[in-house]
Amino acid sequence: DIQMTQSPSSLSASVGDRVTITCRASQSISNSLNWYQQKPGQVPKLLIYGASSLQSGVPSRFSGSGSGTDFIFTISSLQPEDFASYYCQHSLRAPWAFGQGTKVEIK
Amino acid sequence: EVQLLESGGGLVQPGGSLRLSCAASGFSFSNYWMSWVRQAPGKGLEWVANIKQDGSDKFYADSVGGRFTISRDNAKNSLYLQMNGLRAEDTALYYCATLMYRSTWFIDYWGQGTLVTVSS
Repeated sequence: DIQMTQSPSSLSASVGDRVTITCRASQSISNSLNWYQQKPGQVPKLLIYGASSLQSGVPSRFSGSGSGTDFIFTISSLQPEDFASYYCQHSLRAPWAFGQGTKVEIK
Repeated sequence: EVQLLESGGGLVQPGGSLRLSCAASGFSFSNYWMSWVRQAPGKGLEWVANIKQDGSDKFYADSVGGRFTISRDNAKNSLYLQMNGLRAEDTALYYCATLMYRSTWFIDYWGQGTLVTVSS
């Protein structure tokens, strides 16, 4: 089975900061990597699919890159509404797996 | 508007069974792969199972394989999760979700979830 390792597990940042989260797969998953945002008390929301494709309606400050085993999720300029938890997820083949999540908190 | 409404959660004793349902509306249910994803209180997301449009292919997480069964009734626009042999570690909010393929698979729409608590 493919495991996903996400880091850091939490980070503190200020509005306007550039934020980077990494996700590593235990074996190559090509570009079968998605990123979700979850705010407290809400359901997850897809931000990035296929490692780098921005889901419709998602602000362009969110971006993703990488392929194979190493992936990066970036928020170019953190906004107040971006404080949330973020999860990577692979969908190469079953069983799918999520990363452990990264909680982005206000500094 | 896509709507997914889960039901059937509740308190159950270890070793017990529960059947979750998800009523879908606002889209052509029979054309979509569907999924269950869970989230233990204060924890991260865990993929549980996927089912193909006609129910002919099903996939499960190792943690639930042999105990949980995903199924669907396209005539009723409904998705199900039969959970047997429940354990304390199955305690979670269970989400019903639609799957989409666009160069890769991803989870598109999510329901609000139904809470399952396994405790004596």
